[in-house]
Amino acid sequence: KNEVEQSPQNLTAQEGEFITINCSYSVGISALHWLQQHPGGGIVSLFMLSSGKKKHGRLIATINIQEKHSSLHITASHPRDSAVYICAVRYGGATNKLIFGTGTLLAVQP
Amino acid sequence: GAGVSQSPSNKVTEKGKDVELRCDPISGHTALYWYRQSLGQGLEFLIYFQGNSAPDKSGLPSDRFSAERTGGSVSTLTIQRTQQEDSAVYLCASSLFGNSPLHFGNGTRLTVT
Repeated sequence: KNEVEQSPQNLTAQEGEFITINCSYSVGISALHWLQQHPGGGIVSLFMLSSGKKKHGRLIATINIQEKHSSLHITASHPRDSAVYICAVRYGGATNKLIFGTGTLLAVQP
Repeated sequence: GAGVSQSPSNKVTEKGKDVELRCDPISGHTALYWYRQSLGQGLEFLIYFQGNSAPDKSGLPSDRFSAERTGGSVSTLTIQRTQQEDSAVYLCASSLFGNSPLHFGNGTRLTVT
C-alpha cells in the first residue's frame, strides 16, 4: 500500500465540468503539495498547504488534517487543464523528504 | 535565469559509463532536491540538501549514486557504472526554505544503452 494514494488514477471529463481529484495519506504531515505535469513538460507547483483551503483562479485545494485527506478541484475545466496531477506530502519532524502519489491523469475533452 | 536550470537536457550513455547531471537552483534557495521519474512511474525521491546540514541521502538507490552541492548553490548528481535501469528523467527542485513551495527544473532525460 502506497503511503500516498490518489484517486482516480485516470479521469476523462468534458470541457466545463467540475473536477475533483483526491489524495489520502497515512501519517502526520507538515505540508501537502499539489503539482501539475503536462505531457512532455516540466512540473509546476500548484499549491502547498498545511490546513484549510487555498484558491488560485479556477483551482481550489482543500485539506482535512484529521481525516488525512486532500482534494484538488478544477472549476469550469478546459482542455488545457489536461495533465498529470500529483499529490506529495512532507512528513513532520526533521525530514523534509517528499513522498509522492502516483498521479492522476486528467484528460479534458472539448 | 529566474528558474531552476538543469543540464544536459538529454544524455545517452553506454552501460558501465559514469554520468554527471547538473542542477542550478534559483538564487537564494536553501533547499535542493533530486528526484527521478522512470517511464510510466511516479516521482522517486533521491536526495535532499538543506543549507549547510548533512544531506538526506535516504532515497539513493545504490552506492553508485552520489550527489554534492558546492557552496550551497549548484548541485551535481553522479551515477557511476550506469545500468539500463538507471534510465529515467532526473529532476531537480529547489525551495527558499525546507518547507516552502517547490520550483522544478525541466529535468535531464538519461538513456543508458
